[in-house]
Amino acid sequence: GAVVSQHPSRVICKSGTSVKIECRSLDFQATTMFWYRQFPKKSLMLMATSNEGSKATYEQGVEKDKFLINHASLTLSTLTVTSAHPEDSSFYICSARSSAFTGELFFGEGSRLTVL
Amino acid sequence: AQSVTQLGSHVSVSEGALVLLRCNYSSSVPPYLFWYVQYPNQGLQLLLKYTSAATLVKGINGFEAEFKKSETSFHLTKPSAHMSDAAEYFCAVSVALTGGYNKLIFGAGTRLAVHP
Repeated sequence: GAVVSQHPSRVICKSGTSVKIECRSLDFQATTMFWYRQFPKKSLMLMATSNEGSKATYEQGVEKDKFLINHASLTLSTLTVTSAHPEDSSFYICSARSSAFTGELFFGEGSRLTVL
Repeated sequence: AQSVTQLGSHVSVSEGALVLLRCNYSSSVPPYLFWYVQYPNQGLQLLLKYTSAATLVKGINGFEAEFKKSETSFHLTKPSAHMSDAAEYFCAVSVALTGGYNKLIFGAGTRLAVHP
């Protein structure tokens, strides 16, 4: 199956700093990528839909100035958590769409962010 | 609006016993439905998907699910549980967006424990 890679898998940062997480589709072109956030022992919450070459569409309640998403190419989307605070600590997962018809998504391994 | 409900946040079975994880969906249009598995600190792996073809869908690792429109259900089963099946399982429905894209809406998840 298609492979989606996230980097870094784990990151620890100080409060107030910004952190960038990369999501790459390794063997296919992803016109659409999705960013999810997962709280401990909880389900995945969709944060935003990222379309190559255009602005991301954010879900209600997600601060777009806080979570900057860039989808500059068909194989790379980035999520930047700006001025991170401890409440931003979470597991962030990206996914990429392989085919609009079937709706199947392939998921990255996730990135665990810890803000001290 | 489309949604999924997973009944039972925790399910515990003995090794070799039947696994049954329940998922009910709500959709105003024919849905695409998915089951994903998540191991600790990892992303999601697709187990199987229903895309309006056969109602009984076979997936990886011996899992299968049956789409029942009359019951709006898509329960996941496996005849004989293995210790390695212990994980978090998510049911999801694909939601169509404008422009032909789609996003997944996840259920709350069911944690499967398998004991000797």
